[in-house]
Amino acid sequence: EVVMTQSPATLSVSPGERATLSCRASQTVSSNLAWYQQKPAQAPRLLIYGASTRATGIPARFSGSGSGTEFTLTISSLQSEDFAVYYCQQYNNWPRNTFGQGTKLEIK
Amino acid sequence: EVQLVESGGGLVKPGGSLRLSCAASGFTFSSYSMNWVRQAPGKGLEWVSSISGISSDIYYADSLKGRFTISRDNAKNSLYLQMNSLRAEDTAVYYCARGGSYYGYWGQGTLVTVSS
Repeated sequence: EVVMTQSPATLSVSPGERATLSCRASQTVSSNLAWYQQKPAQAPRLLIYGASTRATGIPARFSGSGSGTEFTLTISSLQSEDFAVYYCQQYNNWPRNTFGQGTKLEIK
Repeated sequence: EVQLVESGGGLVKPGGSLRLSCAASGFTFSSYSMNWVRQAPGKGLEWVSSISGISSDIYYADSLKGRFTISRDNAKNSLYLQMNSLRAEDTAVYYCARGGSYYGYWGQGTLVTVSS
């Protein structure tokens, strides 16, 4: 099983500032990495796939980078609606996709 | 507009059974692999099972140990998850999700609670 590890567990950032979230895979997943946003009592929403491609309708302030085992999600200027939990997911081993444990992005 | 709507969740006693459904609309259902993903209360996301568009390929998480069965009816645009021998640790929100790699669309989820 590919283990995904996200850091930090909680990130406190002020609105308007930049947030950088990290995700590490226990073995290479190439660029088969997705990021999801989940707000309380809602389903996850796809933000990024292919490590760096924004999904339809996702604002340009969200960007993804990395390949192999190290990945980053950057939110360039935080808006109030961006405070949520973010999950990375590898699908290199589909269908046995695995998720990170999540990073909670909270208002500082 | 793609829509996925789960149903069938509820309270069930340990050892009991439940059948979840996911009604799909807004896309050609038979063209897509479908998946079940669950989330225990306050926890992260866990892949449960996947099925290809024509049901030729079916996969399960090892942790399920043969207790769950995924199926689909393309004529009804519906996905199912039959869950048997339920345990307390199966308590979670169960989501259906579309995709043969990443999950582009998710339903709103249905809560399954296993408790005596």
